[in-house]
Formats: sequence, structure tokens, C-alpha cells
Amino acid sequence: ETGVTQTPRHLVMGMTNKKSLKCEQHLGHNAMYWYKQSAKKPLELMFVYSLEERVENNSVPSRFSPECPNSSHLFLHLHTLQPEDSALYLCASSQEGQSPDTIYFGEGSWLTVV
Amino acid sequence: AQSVTQLDSQVPVFEEAPVELRCNYSSSVSVYLFWYVQYPNQGLQLLLKYLSGSTLVKGINGFEAEFNKSQTSFHLRKPSVHISDTAEYFCAVSDSGGYQKVTFGTGTKLQVIP
Repeated sequence: ETGVTQTPRHLVMGMTNKKSLKCEQHLGHNAMYWYKQSAKKPLELMFVYSLEERVENNSVPSRFSPECPNSSHLFLHLHTLQPEDSALYLCASSQEGQSPDTIYFGEGSWLTVV
Repeated sequence: AQSVTQLDSQVPVFEEAPVELRCNYSSSVSVYLFWYVQYPNQGLQLLLKYLSGSTLVKGINGFEAEFNKSQTSFHLRKPSVHISDTAEYFCAVSDSGGYQKVTFGTGTKLQVIP
């Protein structure tokens, strides 16, 4: 148990569906992240929220839409995805301060787009 | 810009044998280095980190890593591996930005053979 909980763990969706991934952290951290993990590729940082403000958006297609309603919750809204978007989506959190701290990851949400 | 290179995508090793997983990095600023481990069907968890001080860093599960600034390396070692060490290992580098921007390597799959 890492203190970061992701739901659902597995999701299968059609290309015309709208779904959301949810992340909740119980660590009191002030920064949250979405990463994409695909086979044989480095982890891709998608979005970063620091103090509930989006501070990083790494050229992610608009079919992915993040939402951070408070410092403990992070959502990734999915709409009209493509098969190449199938991957493991990892949520993470950390406490931002003067020096880098450990990133705590959730167990991930396996997404399959059919 | 920062980058991480993990040259070995897979490393097979017999149980109770020593192992070294290689990691080289490049960065234009001060670096902070991490090793994360990902067990099957789980998220990433921190093994160890180098922020400053002693160049030999000890982590969990008997792993250690040595920061070598002249060779820009941060290799991970364990003197005797166990079956339970079978997992994927990720090296990561972070700069000292206001929010943590971590660059991950492509990962090395450690396969421990009984």
C-alpha cells in the first residue's frame, strides 16, 4: 500500500466512449502526476499539478483531459481515444519543497482501447 | 535537458549470484538520482535515492548504488539476488526545479533464474 489509490485497475473502452480514471492520495502531498507507461518506452510524464494548479502539460493530445479538484484527488478524463492509447496509466504524488522528494506511485490503471 | 540511459533491457542472473544494473545520465544542472522497482502488475516504488553526501547509497532489499560524477553513472548492485527480485528496474534523474520533473530510463528487466 503506497498511499496512492487508482481506480479502476482495468478499463476496456471503445473509441467513441467517455470514461475517467481516478486517483486519490492519502499522503498529504501537494503535487500529483499522470504518467503513461507503454511497452518498450520510457515512462512519459503527461501532466503535473502543483498546489492544484497545472504546471506541466507535455504535448498531450486533447482527448486526455486532467482535473484536480483538490490536493488529494486527480482525474484523467478520456474521450475518443485511439488504440495506440492503450497503456498503463500511473498516478503519482510527491511533496514539493526545496529538494526533490520521493515520488509515490499508484498501482496503475490498465487501459485497453478497442 | 536531462536524460537517462539504461543500456540493458534484460538481465538474466542465477539465484544467489551478484548483479549490476547499469545507468548513465546526462544533465546540465545538479542532479538527483533514483532507482525505482516495478513488480508485476504493480506501480513503481522507490529502491534508493541520491540527493547529496556519500556517493554510496544503500536502499531497501539489500540493493545499493554508487554515484560516479566523472563517469555520469549511477549503477545499481546487489551481492546476492533472490527469486523475489525478479522485476523491472528504472533509473531516474531529477533536476532541482520548483516542482519535480523526473526523467525515467527505459527500464531493465531482471530475471532471476532458480
